[in-house]
Amino acid sequence: QKEVEQNSGPLSVPEGAIASLNCTYSDRGSQSFFWYRQYSGKSPELIMSIYSNGDKEDGRFTAQLNKASQYVSLLIRDSQPSDSATYLCAVKGNDMRFGAGTRLTVKP
Amino acid sequence: DAGVIQSPRHEVTEMGQEVTLRCKPISGHDYLFWYRQTMMRGLELLIYFNNNVPIDDSGMPEDRFSAKMPNASFSTLKIQPSEPRDSAVYFCASSAPGANVLTFGAGSRLTVL
Repeated sequence: QKEVEQNSGPLSVPEGAIASLNCTYSDRGSQSFFWYRQYSGKSPELIMSIYSNGDKEDGRFTAQLNKASQYVSLLIRDSQPSDSATYLCAVKGNDMRFGAGTRLTVKP
Repeated sequence: DAGVIQSPRHEVTEMGQEVTLRCKPISGHDYLFWYRQTMMRGLELLIYFNNNVPIDDSGMPEDRFSAKMPNASFSTLKIQPSEPRDSAVYFCASSAPGANVLTFGAGSRLTVL
């Protein structure tokens, strides 16, 4: 079992729609959770962090965390073509582990 | 701040050759991570350092791989001898004391023929 798993995608949504990205993790001791965005040919960049159960909103992005279910999600509202990228879920226990990523395409 | 600096950006070499990848973390950052990214396996953690000391190298795939951090501003990842299956993008990332957020370098794309 992989330590951090994401829905494999690819995910395609029309412009203006909500994109939903999901992630599960195996280490119950994990305390910090992150979403990184990676454009093709570029390095990952942080877009959201979440440490407590519940929702955290930042502009069009909402991260959701449920530690009991070992589940993290990212919602992107009013998706834009510029959101087209691979989204990486990262979980910090003793180190920082990443999921394989979900490629999102937002179609105009 | 120049960010995390990696070199070379691209490396093409032949099987059996030694490859050395370099990383300069952000000044003041005390954690340094080396990751490898491929389409098949995603972003894999190879090794990480805290205050120049290797903490966990369990992700290093084989004895052909080695990493060092002789001081707070420099780290190397060496592959000797290289093999075609080592072809990947290698990322270095660093984080500040007490912070969980990683800042990545631009990556080094390695192609082993």
